Amino acid sequence: GIQVEQSPPDLILQEGANSTLRCNFSDSVNNLQWFHQNPWGQLINLFYIPSGTKQNGRLSATTVATERYSLLYISSSQTTDSGVYFCAVGLNSGYSTLTFGKGTMLLVSP
Amino acid sequence: DVKVTQSSRYLVKRTGEKVFLECVQDMDHENMFWYRQDPGLGLRLIYFSYDVKMKEKGDIPEGYSVSREKKERFSLILESASTNQTSMYLCASSTLGLARNEQFFGPGTRLTVL
Repeated sequence: GIQVEQSPPDLILQEGANSTLRCNFSDSVNNLQWFHQNPWGQLINLFYIPSGTKQNGRLSATTVATERYSLLYISSSQTTDSGVYFCAVGLNSGYSTLTFGKGTMLLVSP
Repeated sequence: DVKVTQSSRYLVKRTGEKVFLECVQDMDHENMFWYRQDPGLGLRLIYFSYDVKMKEKGDIPEGYSVSREKKERFSLILESASTNQTSMYLCASSTLGLARNEQFFGPGTRLTVL
């Protein structure tokens, strides 16, 4: 099956700093999602981005499908950005299952 | 907005009990999924369903079964709960087919088996 690797596994930032999270995957995909898991365990959809670049406020993401990686950028980080960020990939055919990376744990301190 | 709800946020059960976890979605999605999440292991797919009464095994189906009698509802069943099934359980739904089929998640159920 598809392998998904996320880096770094852990990240500590001061409030206001910028960061880049990376997701590498081992095979061609046409579904890629970024999620933020908040402290209560809820997975929040950030981006659906199988290719290209998208921005939503302080967050943006870029996926280079031909090179099998995606990047999530967080600018001017806030304490509420803390949590785990997951990348998940899959194929939009039939069952559309997703394979998740192990996540990046982000802690933003005041 | 898509809404996926799960029957309980926290659940405590005894070893050997039969446990039902319920998930309901309101977006008429064909696909529904059950995952478990454990520290250091990420999310792993237990079972999924692409239609009423249809089910497919995921990566870790052992010790679990599922039921989908209505399109909006997908149940995960632990026939005889064991301590190694203590985990966070997450339900998700998505559309079927080649179109954008983004998965949306419920709030999760933290199950403790004593």
